[in-house]
Amino acid sequence: KNQVEQSPQSLIILEGKNCTLQCNYTVSPFSNLRWYKQDTGRGPVSLTIMTFSENTKSNGRYTATLDADTKQSSLHITASQLSDSASYICVVITGTASKLTFGTGTRLQVTL
Amino acid sequence: GAVVSQHPSWVICKSGTSVKIECRSLDFQATTMFWYRQFPKQSLMLMATSNEGSKATYEQGVEKDKFLINHASLTLSTLTVTSAHPEDSSFYICSAVDRGLEQFFGPGTRLTVL
Repeated sequence: KNQVEQSPQSLIILEGKNCTLQCNYTVSPFSNLRWYKQDTGRGPVSLTIMTFSENTKSNGRYTATLDADTKQSSLHITASQLSDSASYICVVITGTASKLTFGTGTRLQVTL
Repeated sequence: GAVVSQHPSWVICKSGTSVKIECRSLDFQATTMFWYRQFPKQSLMLMATSNEGSKATYEQGVEKDKFLINHASLTLSTLTVTSAHPEDSSFYICSAVDRGLEQFFGPGTRLTVL
């Protein structure tokens, strides 16, 4: 069964600190993996897209890694800001755009 | 980047009434759109696939007669929740697929059924 598991479920960090979110997947066949940020009451917004051959990709303060052998990905947030408070969802895409498997998300809260 | 809008952003209705939610791709054409439902603290759950000019494909367990989907043009899909009940209260999100086969999500519609 295709599954995407994320950890931790929730995380509270102080503003300015770094954090790393984890994603393990068993989805097959693999097309690409995406990290989305979802603010409360809003739709998901794409942060990074990683294909099978990519190991690391950055988008500003967000850096995603992918290990296709172990089927693991991580999202590292540097110098967190209050506006980073949101749910971060790992999504694995198989074959075509219609096959998305969503992780349960990590709820991040950045505090003063 | 591609923009997908939803209208309304929130709606409150009485039990037994019907509610229509619109999903529009603003700067691209989308032959395929998707409708998701999200309950609090849960991930998105795919309800149905909407294809322009043809009938929608519903996921297992989703009542097609209750959740009517119409994809009349390449930029508009609508979801109508018929005879809504409190258990239908949820966050409904649509997405649209561009020519590069990437899905772009709308901002969501919060439905509350009293």
